[in-house]
Parts: sequence; C-alpha cells; structure tokens
Amino acid sequence: SQQGEEDPQALSIQEGENATMNCSYKTSINNLQWYRQNSGRGLVHLILIRSNEREKHSGRLRVTLDTSKKSSSLLITASRAADTASYFCATEQTGTASKLTFGTGTRLQVTL
Amino acid sequence: DAGITQSPRYKITETGRQVTLMCHQTWSHSYMFWYRQDLGHGLRLIYYSAAADITDKGEVPDGYVVSRSKTENFPLTLESATRSQTSVYFCASSEYRGNYEQYFGPGTRLTVT
Repeated sequence: SQQGEEDPQALSIQEGENATMNCSYKTSINNLQWYRQNSGRGLVHLILIRSNEREKHSGRLRVTLDTSKKSSSLLITASRAADTASYFCATEQTGTASKLTFGTGTRLQVTL
Repeated sequence: DAGITQSPRYKITETGRQVTLMCHQTWSHSYMFWYRQDLGHGLRLIYYSAAADITDKGEVPDGYVVSRSKTENFPLTLESATRSQTSVYFCASSEYRGNYEQYFGPGTRLTVT
C-alpha cells in the first residue's frame, strides 16, 4: 500500500526558479523525510521533519508539514541544474519505528 | 570510509535460479533494510533487520530470504528467481530506532530472463 503520494509527478523549471513538490499521506506518522535520487544512483537523505514540527530549513530547502491535512511540501529555492533528480517523500508511520514507506516520487528537471 | 556497498551492481539470471545480493555497511548501524524500486511503485520494503539475528518482513517479502549473522552484512536471496523480481534493489542502513535517516547503497540492477 502506498503511504506517500507526490505531486506533481514531473516538474520542469529553469535555473534560478523555485521548485515546489507536495506529498500527501494516509495514516499518522512519527516523521516525514525527503530523499533525492540522481539517475542510476541510490537515494540521499535531504531532510527529516518530525510530527510535532511544522517547518524546517536546510540550506536552499524548506519543508513544511501539516499533520491535520496529512501533507508536506518541499521547496527548493534558486534551483540549479545539479538539482535535477527524482525526489521522494517517505513516512515513518506511528508504531513502525525505523520502517519507511516511500511515495512514487517527483522528477525534477532544471534547465539552463 | 566505504559506507554502504552492494554487490553485484548488475546481475542477469535465469528464471528458477537462486541469486544472492550482498549488502555491507561499515558504520555498525543497527538497522538494515532491503527495498526494491519499480516504475510506478516507488520503493517498497522487502525485509528489514533491527540487529544481528533479528529480521522481519516488509511490504513485499514473498520469494525472498534474508539473514543477518553479522551486524555489517545483510544478504538478500531470491530462492527461485521469477521475471517479476526484475527490479533495482537497494540496501539501506540506519543508526538508531525511529526518527533517523536511512543511508542507501548504490543499488543492484537485477534482470531475470
């Protein structure tokens, strides 16, 4: 069963623009995490936001979490060509410590 | 500092064959995970392990076997490979239980003919 669903499935922007990706989930969570995957590579952890947090920043990344709506958003500001990748949200559901359920991902293309 | 490695990186096998995918981590992380990644499904958890000799099923365990005799190794065995097991397999590890990120290996691309 898919816990997280990302929206949009694909996003194409120009360098310098902001990119926003959304994630919705179904059940209560301990935390929500965002990962990046470059083509042909493994996933790299970007940021973790706990269920009692509403917003978190890391460099050019801003993540929000709305537990009442069961949704999260990832904002990448001033995008660069190197940000081109697939981005996945993953949820650690309540009562399932350390087990993550991944969404299907958003493919981001940043063009020069 | 190798981190987490997987071998082989690419494997082609025939239906019915047994194949083992290896995963090794150098951090002494307690938790280790196996995922498969297929188009349209994202990553799905196959098995995970909380410590040596402790393993449990994930979302899609059928047709797979795992073992963890040493903390640093977590092999995944397909006892009798099927075409539906053609996928990219990722191993991951995590230091602690809950609220911690996972570190992923580079993946193994498995094709079952």
